[in-house]
Amino acid sequence: DQQVKQNSPSLSVQEGRISILNCDYTNSMFDYFLWYKKYPAEGPTFLISISSIKDKNEDGRFTVFLNKSAKHLSLHIVPSQPGDSAVYFCAAIQAGTALIFGKGTTLSVSS
Amino acid sequence: NAGVTQTPKFRILKIGQSMTLQCTQDMNHNYMYWYRQDPGMGLKLIYYSVGAGITDKGEVPNGYNVSRSTTEDFPLRLELAAPSQTSVYFCASSFTGLGANVLTFGAGSRLTVL
Repeated sequence: DQQVKQNSPSLSVQEGRISILNCDYTNSMFDYFLWYKKYPAEGPTFLISISSIKDKNEDGRFTVFLNKSAKHLSLHIVPSQPGDSAVYFCAAIQAGTALIFGKGTTLSVSS
Repeated sequence: NAGVTQTPKFRILKIGQSMTLQCTQDMNHNYMYWYRQDPGMGLKLIYYSVGAGITDKGEVPNGYNVSRSTTEDFPLRLELAAPSQTSVYFCASSFTGLGANVLTFGAGSRLTVL
């Protein structure tokens, strides 16, 4: 049973436009949510996180929104750049446990 | 800064063979993890360690063993390799297992069992 779900395997966006990556979760006990980015032949790298007590966190072009009532979070990238093309993993953690990852969404940004 | 280093990067095993994936980190992190990623799937936790001498099972531990004799090293042992263990393995570490728990990952080890 997947606790963290990324239902869109892929997303294509034009350079300069907004990219919106979505993630749903089932465990209401999750304390933190994180986004990781992964390029081919490399390990995932941390991108941005949000605490369950917040509804928004912003870092430059990246903003994560959390809707606890809907058990939904999203990552917005504005403006999208070709270098943003990668696999994006949503992850969540409950205190005392390990990170649980979604299956990932492959973002392709065309110039 | 080396971060998390994994060896080997690639390996082909025959069914029934054994091998050890090496992982070392130079950030003095307490927590270390082994994940596997199958095609089209997310990362699944195999084993983790909260410090030297302490290890615990994750979501998919069967067929693997780990040890943590030092803070820096966390090798993953595959005994009697099976085709189902064909995957990309990622080692990771973090300073703490609490809070936002930002993991630093290695580049991965791609294992094929034939």
